[in-house]
Order: sequence, then structure tokens, then C-alpha cells
Amino acid sequence: DTGVSQDPRHKITKRGQNVTFRCDPISEHNRLYWYRQTLGQGPEFLTYFQNEAQLEKSRLLSDRFSAERPKGSFSTLEIQRTEQGDSAMYLCASSPYRGGNEKLFFGSGTQLSVL
Amino acid sequence: KQEVTQIPAALSVPEGENLVLNCSFTDSAIYNLQWFRQDPGKGLTSLLLIQSSQREQTSGRLNASLDKSSGRSTLYIAASQPGDSATYLCAALDRGSTLGRLYFGRGTQLTVWP
Repeated sequence: DTGVSQDPRHKITKRGQNVTFRCDPISEHNRLYWYRQTLGQGPEFLTYFQNEAQLEKSRLLSDRFSAERPKGSFSTLEIQRTEQGDSAMYLCASSPYRGGNEKLFFGSGTQLSVL
Repeated sequence: KQEVTQIPAALSVPEGENLVLNCSFTDSAIYNLQWFRQDPGKGLTSLLLIQSSQREQTSGRLNASLDKSSGRSTLYIAASQPGDSATYLCAALDRGSTLGRLYFGRGTQLTVWP
């Protein structure tokens, strides 16, 4: 399978716990993106990487959120001290950057529920 | 800040109808406009990408147009089928510093019944 892979598919946690999500992009793609989507809304941008460099972060990415992409391959998104408002679908996407007009390929997402 | 709006929010049609989904954006300085499809509980699938210099793109029964001056894009679906049932989202890529942030609308939930 050469698609974008996200793990886990579902995560249920208690408020205050830390969670970490993983994304494996399509292997030849140098850009990797994280978005968050709540029910009935469109995805909202969180952050993105080009290779291992984190080029942009949204204001939505509070100090409780951290994303990494070591060695420019897979990426992890960690949420510390989770809150009920963090409940959402976390989507990862990748693309081969060639100037900006590239389609994004999305994974199936990680559904987070904070109790 | 770019704001993207989609109308209608939901649409239910019989099989075979031709459809038009609308998308509007507030800042015309976009790099491209993209249309996605999302099935329930799933990620997004890219359908069409229209570069800022283009007026339209076609793929099979889908045709998307772009009018930057009026801040509008439309997705035309010909001869709709039940398998087209999904949420359709449009997204604008701004001419920002790093060309990495897409602004999405809330989507149009389409139901095509047999």
C-alpha cells in the first residue's frame, strides 16, 4: 500500500492524559501536513513540514501541541494534558512539493475522543 | 484571513441529475483552488485542482471552474450516481509565504438516491 497511513485510527483518552499520533506519508513526498476536523466543519490547518523542517504553525497549535518529523520521513503529533475541546479527527496529508500546484493525499485520520 | 463558504450545505437529488456545487472565497489572491471528496469517517480524496491562471479543470463527469475576480468556484457533476454521495469540500491555497496552508469550506453533503 503506497497511501498515507495514520495510527491509531481511534483513540479514547481521559482528560489530562497525553496522546501521540503517527503519520507515515507516501514515501517520495517531501511535504507533510496536519489538519484537525470537527463534526460538520472543514479541516483546519495545524502545521506542515517540508522534509524535516517545520515551515508553518497555526495559532491553533497551542503549547500543548507538538509535531515532529525526524529525518523527513514519518511524523508524530503529540497533545499534552488533553482537554475535551481536543476531541476531533486529526488528519495527515502529504504531497510532493514542486512549486505549489500539487494535490494533497490524505490519510484516513485518527479520531480522538477525550472523556 | 481567507474565508471559504460553500452553498448549499446539503443537497439531495435523484440519480441522473446534473448538479452544481458552489464555493466562494474572500481573498482573490489565491495560488490555486482545490476540490475534495470525503466519505463518512474517512480522509479526503483530491478531485480537481485549478491553478490561479486556469479557468477550469475536468475529470470524467466532474468539471470545476474558477473565477478569481468574483471569488467563486463551482463544481459541476454530470449524470449523478448514488456512488457520488459524499461530502464535497473546496479549499483555497493562498499566495502566502510558504504555500502550505489550505483554507477549507464546511462542505456540501450530497445524497444521490436511486
